Amino acid sequence: DARVTQTPRHKVTEMGQEVTMRCQPILGHNTVFWYRQTMMQGLELLAYFRNRAPLDDSGMPKDRFSAEMPDATLATLKIQPSEPRDSAVYFCASGLAGGHEQYFGPGTRLTVT
Amino acid sequence: GEDVEQSLFLSVREGDSSVINCTYTDSSSTYLYWYKQEPGAGLQLLTYIFSNMDMKQDQRLTVLLNKKDKHLSLRIADTQTGDSAIYFCAEKRGNNDMRFGAGTRLTVKP
Repeated sequence: DARVTQTPRHKVTEMGQEVTMRCQPILGHNTVFWYRQTMMQGLELLAYFRNRAPLDDSGMPKDRFSAEMPDATLATLKIQPSEPRDSAVYFCASGLAGGHEQYFGPGTRLTVT
Repeated sequence: GEDVEQSLFLSVREGDSSVINCTYTDSSSTYLYWYKQEPGAGLQLLTYIFSNMDMKQDQRLTVLLNKKDKHLSLRIADTQTGDSAIYFCAEKRGNNDMRFGAGTRLTVKP
């Protein structure tokens, strides 16, 4: 049963620390998305990749966030240094370019104290 | 505007109908979607409608599309407490990019 996996599921860290979140897209999917969800802002698109190339990262604070796809089976989202306002649930989703559905992972719940 | 827009909150009584509204941005969008997010989980596709249709019905769900106004709605008939979730509107734009709204949190009171 193919699923998007994300690690870690939960992360608590102190402000100033580096945080790395990982995502394994569904095998064969060529688009990968990173979203952030908070109660106040709802779901926000941070970045997305097609065939491992970043297509849009305009939703991401460039000074502290970075997203990469080292290979087709791994996407990473890094925050350095982290701040309390980064506390949120971060979702990864994958899909096929031109397809109907994005398949979401279970999310990483990040708490920065 | 640039964003897909939805109200953040909606509260209804059990047995009533719920109507969740959305305005999207791209008049050349080909498909419009509704996703559902249950507590503690990721989003899952609920239903979608092709842009040349104005209505789609699936059991208790009715999707209405007003392409002229770029307005999409999701009606849930006989809303149950199990329907409490966050509902997301999304559009597939002419360039194949998909954009989501922020989500509407539906609370169903017994």
